[in-house]
Amino acid sequence: DQQVKQNSPSLSVQEGRISILNCDYTNSMFDYFLWYKKYPAEGPTFLISISSIKDKNEDGRFTVFLNKSAKHLSLHIVPSQPGDSAVYFCAASAANSGTYKYIFGTGTRLKVLA
Amino acid sequence: DTAVSQTPKYLVTQMGNDKSIKCEQNLGHDTMYWYKQDSKKFLKIMFSYNNKELIINETVPNRFSPKSPDKAHLNLHINSLELGDSAVYFCASSHNGGGKAETQYFGPGTRLLVL
Repeated sequence: DQQVKQNSPSLSVQEGRISILNCDYTNSMFDYFLWYKKYPAEGPTFLISISSIKDKNEDGRFTVFLNKSAKHLSLHIVPSQPGDSAVYFCAASAANSGTYKYIFGTGTRLKVLA
Repeated sequence: DTAVSQTPKYLVTQMGNDKSIKCEQNLGHDTMYWYKQDSKKFLKIMFSYNNKELIINETVPNRFSPKSPDKAHLNLHINSLELGDSAVYFCASSHNGGGKAETQYFGPGTRLLVL
């Protein structure tokens, strides 16, 4: 039972265009969400997060949108750069669960074409 | 300076052997984790320790035993290795958010191959 799903295993985008990565979740108790970026042979690195009290959080070229009624979040990268090519994981947690437990999606491999 | 480090980076071993993976963080975090990323790329929590106390123990075979000598270290010992244990194991740490989820910082991973 995968509570966090990233249904697109891969995405290719032209440099300068917008990249949109999607994530769906099933557990309505989740109220804190993060995106991680992972390069080959490295650990995931934190990118951006959003709490369920917000529907948007922006950090430079990265914006995360949260639609609680649809249990859906998305990461927008604009403009996309070749260095953004990586695997992107979304993760969710019930922030007040007391167990610091994140459930991760299976990742979307983004390739930004120069 | 590496924030979360793991050793070894690669580990190739025979079935039935016992092996350990070490993790250290220099971020001053209170909480440390072990994750397993299998061949299907699922990244799943295995264990979490907060101030040397086990707080998350997912459904993991008891051949896996975490040990936390202090809050900067969380080692993973695996007995009687099986083929299915082949995976990438990631260590992570976070600040104790007082019950709230906090950003986790990951190590580079240990690639374990059991032959």
